[in-house]
Amino acid sequence: LAKTTQPISMDSYEGQEVNITCSHNNIATNDYITWYQQFPSQGPRFIIQGYKTKVTNEVASLFIPADRKSSTLSLPRVSLSDTAVYYCLVARNKLSFGAGTTVTVRA
Amino acid sequence: NAGVTQTPKFQVLKTGQSMTLQCAQDMNHEYMSWYRQDPGMGLRLIHYSVGAGITDQGEVPNGYNVSRSTTEDFPLRLLSAAPSQTSVYFCASSSTMGGYGYTFGSGTRLTVV
Repeated sequence: LAKTTQPISMDSYEGQEVNITCSHNNIATNDYITWYQQFPSQGPRFIIQGYKTKVTNEVASLFIPADRKSSTLSLPRVSLSDTAVYYCLVARNKLSFGAGTTVTVRA
Repeated sequence: NAGVTQTPKFQVLKTGQSMTLQCAQDMNHEYMSWYRQDPGMGLRLIHYSVGAGITDQGEVPNGYNVSRSTTEDFPLRLLSAAPSQTSVYFCASSSTMGGYGYTFGSGTRLTVV
């Protein structure tokens, strides 16, 4: 399993852009980078997945540099409902979630 | 579609008791997995299955058994419950193993006293 490192917590305000960077120095050639979101008392929810460069969907953008040793999840114009734990995962066969990043959005 | 259904939602066990946590999915997913989440922690993989009849261990398999006799069902058995197994258990399924689009159940909150 590729080890990932991400900040424990981040604070933001409504309307701001939130960027969460994840380090994965030992990512393998075939590994994809995947992000999940988890609200209290719920299971995680898939947000976005990418392999290289940039991926964008209706919820977020994922930026991956050429060396793929890190990635950045970008949440545009966050609202209070974006307060959650965000997990960065890198794995081909098994998915293991670290402690994640607790994002708190304030009014 | 119901997605991933876990039962029960809550359970209290006495130390030494055994029980089975149920997980069923109706999406015809080949890949299913079980996680546990302790307070303030991330999810740790217990066991997973890549298809009916095929299972393998995750990070923390001790004290748990699984089997996969059908594509739809992936039960998790606690053989002899211990207080250290107090946790929230999540089941997930996906059509692929690479992390894309995992669907999680709503969880089973287990307390062992």
